[in-house]
Amino acid sequence: GQQLNQSPQSMFIQEGEDVSMNCTSSSIFNTWLWYKQDPGEGPVLLIALYKAGELTSNGRLTAQFGITRKDSFLNISASIPSDVGIYFCAGQLSGQGAQKLVFGQGTRLTINP
Amino acid sequence: SQTIHQWPATLVQPVGSPLSLECTVEGTSNPNLYWYRQAAGRGLQLLFYSVGIGQISSEVPQNLSASRPQDRQFILSSKKLLLSDSGFYLCAWSVSPRDYGYTFGSGTRLTVV
Repeated sequence: GQQLNQSPQSMFIQEGEDVSMNCTSSSIFNTWLWYKQDPGEGPVLLIALYKAGELTSNGRLTAQFGITRKDSFLNISASIPSDVGIYFCAGQLSGQGAQKLVFGQGTRLTINP
Repeated sequence: SQTIHQWPATLVQPVGSPLSLECTVEGTSNPNLYWYRQAAGRGLQLLFYSVGIGQISSEVPQNLSASRPQDRQFILSSKKLLLSDSGFYLCAWSVSPRDYGYTFGSGTRLTVV
């Protein structure tokens, strides 16, 4: 089946540092999404990207849809304690009427105060 | 506004017992509905999806089944649970075709003992 390669798997940073994570795929996606999951909760959508090359920001978060449509990255600037959690990328496959998403394996972010 | 309800939040069941997890969506009509399982706090695996009442597609062979008896109700079931069925189960919905990304429920933590 389709897979997304998300890296890094884990990050341990100091509060205030910037964070960068990315996803790559062997398949072309027509939509890329980034989710954040807090412990014991369902993932929450952070940013959605709809066009190749698109760069979108949401507060301190910035994400880009790769020009090849096979990759995406997420940056978090000036991290704060509430940024702790697991971040997932997801790609929507073209022509899928049920809008099935393929998820990366997640990046676990830990912040040292 | 649209909301998604998933229950119970936690469940401990003995091996061989039946299972029924319920998910309901409010504030929308004819949603696409999904069941995901997450093991060890990462990695979302699509189990089932449904584009309408009575229409169920299974992504992976397993000990589970799904049903959609009403437009906004999605049920995950098992006749006899296995230890390997333990995990975090997430229900999600989306509205085709213009709405991208899913909205997830808060999840059910299932422990089979």
